[in-house]
Amino acid sequence: RKEVEQDPGPFNVPEGATVAFNCTYSNSASQSFFWYRQDCRKEPKLLMSVYSSGNEDGRFTAQLNRASQYISLLIRDSKLSDSATYLCVTLGGGFKTIFGAGTRLFVKA
Amino acid sequence: DVKVTQSSRYLVKRTGEKVFLECVQDMDHENMFWYRQDPGLGLRLIYFSYDVKMKEKGDIPEGYSVSREKKERFSLILESASTNQTSMYLCASSLLQAGTGEKLFFGSGTQLSVL
Repeated sequence: RKEVEQDPGPFNVPEGATVAFNCTYSNSASQSFFWYRQDCRKEPKLLMSVYSSGNEDGRFTAQLNRASQYISLLIRDSKLSDSATYLCVTLGGGFKTIFGAGTRLFVKA
Repeated sequence: DVKVTQSSRYLVKRTGEKVFLECVQDMDHENMFWYRQDPGLGLRLIYFSYDVKMKEKGDIPEGYSVSREKKERFSLILESASTNQTSMYLCASSLLQAGTGEKLFFGSGTQLSVL
């Protein structure tokens, strides 16, 4: 079983839609959680950290459920420019950063 | 602006060749990493380094070695390239912030093809 699992998608949504991605992790000792965004043929870039209390950054909301060991990312009012692959990332003890394989999102006009 | 620079964007090598991938960061970060990214598998950690001349194996170190002689430079070496090492290689650096996890800054990647 992979340490971090994501639905690979792709998710095809129209502009303006709300879309949600989930991610599950297997290591209960994981300490920190992040969502990264990766555009086609580009490097990953940090989108947002995920806090236990949940956090919001504009149209993006991230939630963490430690009891069920899953993380979610909600994107409201989708834009064409949101089309990308979204990577779920956990940080365990020491320098152990684990990446999910990513969920692809296509936003259509 | 933060910058992680990888020496080549595309590289084509032959089986058995020795391959050097170079990575330089200008942020004075202690930690540097080498990942490979393959479709459906995500990013997998090959090696990382948390200080000059220090290195630690990641999840898939077989067939690779690394060198960190200077803080800003982290090199990945394929001693004898094989076709199953065809992949996208990503270098990253970070400044570990205690208690908050770490933000990774990535280079733009090197697409290596081994023929």
